[in-house]
Amino acid sequence: GEDVEQSLFLSVREGDSSVINCTYTDSSSTYLYWYKQEPGAGLQLLTYIFSNMDMKQDQRLTVLLNKKDKHLSLRIADTQTGDSAIYFCAERGNTDKLIFGTGTRLQVFP
Amino acid sequence: KAGVTQTPRYLIKTRGQQVTLSCSPISGHRSVSWYQQTPGQGLQFLFEYFSETQRNKGNFPGRFSGRQFSNSRSEMNVSTLELGDSALYLCASRGGPNTEAFFGQGTRLTVV
Repeated sequence: GEDVEQSLFLSVREGDSSVINCTYTDSSSTYLYWYKQEPGAGLQLLTYIFSNMDMKQDQRLTVLLNKKDKHLSLRIADTQTGDSAIYFCAERGNTDKLIFGTGTRLQVFP
Repeated sequence: KAGVTQTPRYLIKTRGQQVTLSCSPISGHRSVSWYQQTPGQGLQFLFEYFSETQRNKGNFPGRFSGRQFSNSRSEMNVSTLELGDSALYLCASRGGPNTEAFFGQGTRLTVV
């Protein structure tokens, strides 16, 4: 079946890099996404990667995909207090529905 | 370009009532999906509409229904509300197959 897992919490110091990890089970995943959710808000699409890629960089964000191990990571360089939020990874298979992970709460301290 | 608009933002209903939530997608987008977010179950897919047709449905009881109009706006209805239906309901719009989904701010439903 389809399942996406993430660690629940991550705490980093301002200015350091953050790495949020995600594992998924559906080998037919075509796209993998990272969304950010701030308190009381909806989901903001941060970036995505197509399943035939292994890396994508977008300003401070770097996505790494290990398709063999079904492992996805999001690296945020120079983490700022404004990056504090919950981060969700999501996979999309052959249909357009998204399967979300449990979310990782990132806390950035000064 | 306006984003995905969901109304209302907040709702309080009592058990047994029904509720209708609305979602206006990004202009030009024809696909609308609905998700339920709760602390216990996380984000779960409800259903997806494209050009007024339901294309995909999640594992929710028949009390949850939806529809899409010719202008791509979508409504979601929940009948005979239960306390467990309290959640943030998120709508996402997509320009077409194999494109990214953009989410609205959500409607927070509280059932008392």
